[in-house]
Amino acid sequence: GESVGLHLPTLSVQEGDNSIINCAYSNSASDYFIWYKQESGKGPQFIIDIRSNMDKRQGQRVTVLLNKTVKHLSLQIAATQPGDSAVYFCAELSGGYNKLIFGAGTRLAVHP
Amino acid sequence: GAGVSQTPSNKVTEKGKYVELRCDPISGHTALYWYRQSLGQGPEFLIYFQGTGAADDSGLPNDRFFAVRPEGSVSTLKIQRTERGDSAVYLCASSLSTGELFFGEGSRLTVL
Repeated sequence: GESVGLHLPTLSVQEGDNSIINCAYSNSASDYFIWYKQESGKGPQFIIDIRSNMDKRQGQRVTVLLNKTVKHLSLQIAATQPGDSAVYFCAELSGGYNKLIFGAGTRLAVHP
Repeated sequence: GAGVSQTPSNKVTEKGKYVELRCDPISGHTALYWYRQSLGQGPEFLIYFQGTGAADDSGLPNDRFFAVRPEGSVSTLKIQRTERGDSAVYLCASSLSTGELFFGEGSRLTVL
Protein backbone atom coordinates (compact mmCIF):
# COMPACT_ATOMS: atom_id res chain seq x y z
CA GLY A 1 0.00 0.00 0.00
CA GLU A 2 0.96 3.61 -0.02
CA SER A 3 3.32 4.58 2.74
CA VAL A 4 5.72 7.18 4.00
CA GLY A 5 9.19 6.12 5.03
CA LEU A 6 12.53 7.51 6.06
CA HIS A 7 16.06 6.92 4.78
CA LEU A 8 18.02 7.15 8.04
CA PRO A 9 16.91 5.61 11.32
CA THR A 10 19.48 7.51 13.45
CA LEU A 11 21.25 10.81 12.95
CA SER A 12 23.97 12.07 15.29
CA VAL A 13 25.09 15.70 15.09
CA GLN A 14 27.20 18.12 17.07
CA GLU A 15 25.50 20.94 18.86
CA GLY A 16 25.46 23.99 16.62
CA ASP A 17 25.60 22.02 13.38
CA ASN A 18 22.76 21.89 10.90
CA SER A 19 20.69 18.70 10.69
CA ILE A 20 18.94 17.25 7.69
CA ILE A 21 16.34 14.53 8.08
CA ASN A 22 15.00 12.88 4.95
CA CYS A 23 11.76 11.18 4.06
CA ALA A 24 10.41 9.42 0.97
CA TYR A 25 6.73 9.09 0.22
CA SER A 26 5.02 6.88 -2.29
CA ASN A 27 1.61 8.43 -2.87
CA SER A 28 2.09 10.94 -5.67
CA ALA A 29 -1.48 12.17 -5.12
CA SER A 30 -0.72 13.41 -1.60
CA ASP A 31 -0.89 17.16 -1.35
CA TYR A 32 -0.06 17.89 2.27
CA PHE A 33 2.87 16.84 4.43
CA ILE A 34 3.77 17.46 8.04
CA TRP A 35 6.85 17.00 10.16
CA TYR A 36 6.39 15.96 13.78
CA LYS A 37 8.81 15.84 16.68
CA GLN A 38 8.32 13.24 19.39
CA GLU A 39 10.21 13.32 22.65
CA SER A 40 10.43 10.28 24.86
CA GLY A 41 7.15 9.60 26.64
CA LYS A 42 5.27 12.31 24.80
CA GLY A 43 2.94 12.52 21.85
CA PRO A 44 4.01 13.85 18.45
CA GLN A 45 4.31 17.61 18.27
CA PHE A 46 3.70 19.58 15.07
CA ILE A 47 6.83 21.28 13.70
CA ILE A 48 6.07 22.47 10.19
CA ASP A 49 3.90 21.59 7.24
CA ILE A 50 4.00 22.06 3.49
CA ARG A 51 1.50 21.76 0.68
CA SER A 52 2.32 20.22 -2.65
CA ASN A 53 2.05 23.55 -4.47
CA MET A 54 5.18 24.68 -2.62
CA ASP A 55 8.73 23.37 -2.69
CA LYS A 56 10.06 25.12 0.38
CA ARG A 57 8.71 26.49 3.61
CA GLN A 58 10.59 28.07 6.47
CA GLY A 59 9.84 28.31 10.14
CA GLN A 60 11.88 29.25 13.12
CA ARG A 61 15.21 27.38 12.66
CA VAL A 62 13.43 24.77 10.54
CA THR A 63 12.94 24.47 6.79
CA VAL A 64 11.00 21.83 4.93
CA LEU A 65 11.83 21.04 1.32
CA LEU A 66 9.54 19.12 -0.99
CA ASN A 67 10.69 17.51 -4.23
CA LYS A 68 7.63 16.13 -5.93
CA THR A 69 9.59 14.79 -8.88
CA VAL A 70 11.31 12.19 -6.71
CA LYS A 71 8.68 12.18 -3.92
CA HIS A 72 11.10 13.33 -1.29
CA LEU A 73 10.78 15.52 1.80
CA SER A 74 13.47 16.86 4.02
CA LEU A 75 13.55 18.71 7.31
CA GLN A 76 16.46 21.02 7.94
CA ILE A 77 17.20 22.21 11.45
CA ALA A 78 19.63 25.09 11.75
CA ALA A 79 22.05 25.38 14.68
CA THR A 80 20.88 22.14 16.25
CA GLN A 81 20.47 22.29 20.01
CA PRO A 82 20.34 19.55 22.66
CA GLY A 83 16.61 20.23 23.01
CA ASP A 84 16.18 19.12 19.40
CA SER A 85 17.07 15.54 20.37
CA ALA A 86 13.97 13.48 19.61
CA VAL A 87 12.43 11.21 16.99
CA TYR A 88 11.22 13.01 13.91
CA PHE A 89 8.40 11.73 11.73
CA CYS A 90 7.15 12.87 8.40
CA ALA A 91 3.46 12.31 7.82
CA GLU A 92 1.32 12.38 4.74
CA LEU A 93 -2.30 13.38 4.68
CA SER A 94 -4.65 10.83 3.20
CA GLY A 95 -8.30 11.24 2.45
CA GLY A 96 -10.44 14.30 2.83
CA TYR A 97 -9.68 14.77 6.51
CA ASN A 98 -6.70 14.59 8.85
CA LYS A 99 -5.92 10.91 8.45
CA LEU A 100 -2.16 10.98 8.77
CA ILE A 101 0.10 8.23 7.51
CA PHE A 102 3.37 8.29 9.42
CA GLY A 103 6.77 6.99 8.48
CA ALA A 104 8.90 4.98 10.88
CA GLY A 105 10.86 7.97 12.20
CA THR A 106 14.44 9.16 12.51
CA ARG A 107 16.11 9.58 15.87
CA LEU A 108 18.15 12.77 16.13
CA ALA A 109 20.89 12.73 18.76
CA VAL A 110 22.59 16.04 19.48
CA HIS A 111 26.00 15.87 21.17
CA PRO A 112 27.62 18.77 23.03
CA GLY B 1 -6.32 21.47 30.92
CA ALA B 2 -5.51 23.04 27.61
CA GLY B 3 -4.25 19.93 25.87
CA VAL B 4 -5.47 16.44 24.99
CA SER B 5 -5.62 14.33 28.12
CA GLN B 6 -5.32 10.54 28.11
CA THR B 7 -5.86 8.14 30.98
CA PRO B 8 -4.42 5.93 32.24
CA SER B 9 -0.89 6.87 31.27
CA ASN B 10 0.18 3.31 31.90
CA LYS B 11 -1.85 0.12 31.99
CA VAL B 12 -0.55 -3.37 32.65
CA THR B 13 -2.99 -6.20 32.13
CA GLU B 14 -3.04 -9.93 31.62
CA LYS B 15 -3.71 -11.69 28.38
CA GLY B 16 -7.44 -12.14 27.85
CA LYS B 17 -8.54 -9.20 29.98
CA TYR B 18 -10.67 -6.24 28.90
CA VAL B 19 -9.17 -2.74 28.77
CA GLU B 20 -10.58 0.76 28.36
CA LEU B 21 -8.48 3.77 27.44
CA ARG B 22 -9.90 7.27 27.76
CA CYS B 23 -9.27 10.43 25.77
CA ASP B 24 -10.35 13.96 26.69
CA PRO B 25 -9.88 16.13 23.60
CA ILE B 26 -9.29 19.86 23.52
CA SER B 27 -12.54 21.67 24.23
CA GLY B 28 -14.36 22.57 21.03
CA HIS B 29 -12.47 20.11 18.83
CA THR B 30 -14.99 18.16 16.79
CA ALA B 31 -12.53 15.71 15.26
CA LEU B 32 -10.90 12.99 17.34
CA TYR B 33 -8.41 10.34 16.27
CA TRP B 34 -6.93 7.21 17.82
CA TYR B 35 -3.52 5.97 16.76
CA ARG B 36 -1.41 3.06 17.94
CA GLN B 37 2.37 3.27 18.18
CA SER B 38 4.57 0.24 18.59
CA LEU B 39 8.15 0.57 19.80
CA GLY B 40 10.37 2.12 17.15
CA GLN B 41 7.49 2.72 14.75
CA GLY B 42 5.44 5.66 13.64
CA PRO B 43 1.87 6.04 14.85
CA GLU B 44 -0.65 3.89 12.99
CA PHE B 45 -4.16 5.18 12.34
CA LEU B 46 -6.98 3.31 14.06
CA ILE B 47 -10.18 5.36 13.95
CA TYR B 48 -11.50 8.87 13.32
CA PHE B 49 -14.57 10.52 14.84
CA GLN B 50 -16.31 13.61 13.57
CA GLY B 51 -18.65 14.53 16.36
CA THR B 52 -20.27 11.42 17.82
CA GLY B 53 -19.92 9.19 14.81
CA ALA B 54 -16.99 7.09 13.67
CA ALA B 55 -16.33 8.46 10.20
CA ASP B 56 -13.52 6.03 9.47
CA ASP B 57 -12.72 2.92 11.51
CA SER B 58 -10.69 1.24 8.81
CA GLY B 59 -7.58 1.12 10.98
CA LEU B 60 -9.06 -1.00 13.77
CA PRO B 61 -7.15 -4.28 13.52
CA ASN B 62 -10.02 -6.64 14.35
CA ASP B 63 -13.35 -6.86 16.13
CA ARG B 64 -11.71 -6.97 19.55
CA PHE B 65 -11.14 -3.22 19.17
CA PHE B 66 -13.99 -0.75 19.51
CA ALA B 67 -14.21 2.96 20.22
CA VAL B 68 -17.04 5.26 21.23
CA ARG B 69 -17.61 8.99 21.58
CA PRO B 70 -21.22 9.19 22.81
CA GLU B 71 -21.43 12.93 23.45
CA GLY B 72 -18.99 14.15 20.85
CA SER B 73 -16.29 14.95 23.39
CA VAL B 74 -14.63 12.23 25.48
CA SER B 75 -13.77 9.02 23.66
CA THR B 76 -13.07 5.55 24.98
CA LEU B 77 -11.06 2.92 23.15
CA LYS B 78 -12.09 -0.56 24.24
CA ILE B 79 -10.04 -3.69 23.73
CA GLN B 80 -11.53 -7.09 24.47
CA ARG B 81 -9.61 -10.32 25.13
CA THR B 82 -6.30 -8.54 25.04
CA GLU B 83 -3.33 -10.24 23.42
CA ARG B 84 0.39 -9.66 23.91
CA GLY B 85 0.53 -8.14 20.43
CA ASP B 86 -1.80 -5.37 21.59
CA SER B 87 1.03 -3.95 23.71
CA ALA B 88 1.75 -0.46 22.41
CA VAL B 89 1.24 3.22 23.13
CA TYR B 90 -2.25 4.32 22.19
CA LEU B 91 -2.30 7.96 21.12
CA CYS B 92 -5.32 10.19 20.88
CA ALA B 93 -5.41 13.41 18.88
CA SER B 94 -8.02 16.08 18.32
CA SER B 95 -8.51 18.93 15.92
CA LEU B 96 -11.05 21.39 14.68
CA SER B 97 -13.00 19.91 11.79
CA THR B 98 -9.95 20.55 9.63
CA GLY B 99 -6.58 21.69 10.82
CA GLU B 100 -3.65 20.75 12.95
CA LEU B 101 -3.85 17.60 15.04
CA PHE B 102 -2.94 17.95 18.70
CA PHE B 103 -1.76 14.73 20.29
CA GLY B 104 -2.01 13.58 23.87
CA GLU B 105 0.89 11.88 25.63
CA GLY B 106 -0.59 8.46 25.08
CA SER B 107 -1.59 5.47 27.15
CA ARG B 108 1.06 2.77 27.33
CA LEU B 109 -0.59 -0.65 27.34
CA THR B 110 1.40 -3.72 28.37
CA VAL B 111 -0.25 -7.12 28.02
CA LEU B 112 1.52 -9.85 29.98
